[in-house]
Amino acid sequence: EIVMTQSPATLSVSPGERATLSCRASQSVRSNLAWYQQKPGQAPRLLIYETSTRATGIPARFSGSGSGTEFTLTISSLQSEDFAVYSCQQYNNWPWTFGHGTKVEIK
Amino acid sequence: QVQLQESGPGLVRPSETLSLTCSVSGGSMSSYFWSWIRQPPGKGLEWIGYVYHSGSTNYNPSLKSRVTISVDTSKNQFSLKLTSLSAADTAVYYCAGGRSSGWYDYWGQGTLVTVSS
Repeated sequence: EIVMTQSPATLSVSPGERATLSCRASQSVRSNLAWYQQKPGQAPRLLIYETSTRATGIPARFSGSGSGTEFTLTISSLQSEDFAVYSCQQYNNWPWTFGHGTKVEIK
Repeated sequence: QVQLQESGPGLVRPSETLSLTCSVSGGSMSSYFWSWIRQPPGKGLEWIGYVYHSGSTNYNPSLKSRVTISVDTSKNQFSLKLTSLSAADTAVYYCAGGRSSGWYDYWGQGTLVTVSS
């Protein structure tokens, strides 16, 4: 199965700053990549699918890019509600697999 | 707005079978994929499998011999059965729905299942 590796494990950012999260696939997943946000005790929330398409209701400060094996989620100006764990997920090869997540914490 | 709610036991004994149900409200199950995904404590998410509204299924090969996912559109529900449980199956189990088999915009709140004697 495809292994998704996220870096860094933890990212300390001040409110209003930019956050850049990375996700690497062990083999090409083309553009079949999604990003989820998860807060403690809550279900994951879909942010991005098809690498760069924002899900319904997701603010424009969230953007995704990449293709093949290297992907990036960028949060342009962190708001207080954005501090959470972010996971990437590939859906090119079954079984779909997730990365272990990047925790974005307040600096 | 589609809403999902998991139901089932919170504690199951080793070697027994887990049965969970996801109730779907606020929309039709037609043309959607319905998945079960789990998250062991402190760990990442693992896809268990999915069912299309027509009943066709796809299971994670690592669990395939123990998993059955079914859908009952007349009741607006889909279900998970996982047999021969062990402590390694202790996790929060989420049900989820999406227009694509690959990504999911609707999620239940999750239910913690503990496997212990």
